[in-house]
Amino acid sequence: DGGITQSPKYLFRKEGQNVTLSCEQNLNHDAMYWYRQDPGQGLRLIYYSQIVNDFQKGDIAEGYSVSREKKESFPLTVTSAQKNPTAFYLCASRGGWDQPQHFGDGTRLSIL
Amino acid sequence: GDSVTQMEGPVTLSEEAFLTINCTYTATGYPSLFWYVQYPGEGLQLLLKATKADDKGSNKGFEATYRKETTSFHLEKGSVQVSDSAVYFCALTELYGGATNKLIFGTGTLLAVQP
Repeated sequence: DGGITQSPKYLFRKEGQNVTLSCEQNLNHDAMYWYRQDPGQGLRLIYYSQIVNDFQKGDIAEGYSVSREKKESFPLTVTSAQKNPTAFYLCASRGGWDQPQHFGDGTRLSIL
Repeated sequence: GDSVTQMEGPVTLSEEAFLTINCTYTATGYPSLFWYVQYPGEGLQLLLKATKADDKGSNKGFEATYRKETTSFHLEKGSVQVSDSAVYFCALTELYGGATNKLIFGTGTLLAVQP
């Protein structure tokens, strides 16, 4: 079955450490997205990519970085510059411009 | 900018009750509208969508009609079940000059259905 796989499901970060969240899709979708979800809030866009080797900042990109070297993969790095990283992170992908986004099951990041 | 406003939760209902979750939006163009559902500890699943005015999206007994005159997309279900307990998100997407279609979400509404 096609879908989006996020790993790990739970991740812990120490102070001053960078961590990378994985997102892989086998839907052959061009566009991929990273969202952050905080309790009681909607999802906020961190970064998105419309095509391989290209990506743009979303609404809350500070303290995060991404790469898009392969169509299937869109990893997110939470850097030490992100002072409040504890959140639920969701990856999504989309086929055609008028198609809905499909989501992975998320990664919950916490601070040790 | 574009935005989505949902009724605040939690919404607590008894099994077989009628459900309405209100959603209104502001948009500069002609957005597509979506309802997503999130079960505890999981990602979001698309529940239904509507791409133009007067379209009705439906799935699993849920319905929502795209009302351009009232800029609304209210979610309804005639008889809820315990298994419908989840967080429901209203969202819109709009092309910005052909560049992309970012999803803009409401804050989500928690539905709790009691047996």
